[in-house]
Amino acid sequence: EIVLTQSPDFQSVTPKEKVTITCRASQSIGSSLHWYQQKPDQSPKLLIKYASQSISGVPSRFSGSGSGTDFTLTINSLEAEDAATYYCHQSSSLPLTFGGGTKVEIK
Amino acid sequence: EVQLVESGGVVVQPGGSLRLSCAASGFTFDDYAMHWVRQAPGKGLEWVSLISWDGGSTYYADSVKGRFTISRDNSKNSLYLQMNSLRAEDTALYYCAKPELRAPMGGAFDIWGQGTMVTVSS
Repeated sequence: EIVLTQSPDFQSVTPKEKVTITCRASQSIGSSLHWYQQKPDQSPKLLIKYASQSISGVPSRFSGSGSGTDFTLTINSLEAEDAATYYCHQSSSLPLTFGGGTKVEIK
Repeated sequence: EVQLVESGGVVVQPGGSLRLSCAASGFTFDDYAMHWVRQAPGKGLEWVSLISWDGGSTYYADSVKGRFTISRDNSKNSLYLQMNSLRAEDTALYYCAKPELRAPMGGAFDIWGQGTMVTVSS
């Protein structure tokens, strides 16, 4: 099973700051890494697919990078509406797995 | 509008059974594999099961293997999860999820339902 380790678990950030969340895979997954945003009492929403591909309708302040085992989600100029928990997810091999999540709080 | 709507979640006793349903609309259902993902209260996301577009192949997380059965009825645009021998640790919000690609596993999940809550408690 591919284990995805996210860091940090929690981040408290002021608006307009830059946020960086990392996801490390226990073995190489190429670019088969996706990022989701989940706000309280909502379903997860796809933010970035295949490590760095943008999703229509997602603000351009969200970007992703990485390949192999190390991946990063970056939120440039954080806005209040970005308060949420962010998850990475690998679709390289079964069982599919998710990272433990990173909760982003707005100061 | 592309939509997934889950139903069937209830409170059930340990050892009991339950069948969840997911009604799909707005896309060609039988073009896609489909997944179930769950989220225990206050916890992260856990992949549960996958079924191929034609129902011919199914896969499960070890935590549910032998107890849960995924199925689909393409004529009804519906996905199901039969849950047997339920345990307290199966308590979770169960989501059905559509992958974005017409491929065996399908890549990222671009559409999620709102979830249906299963509580296993005596």
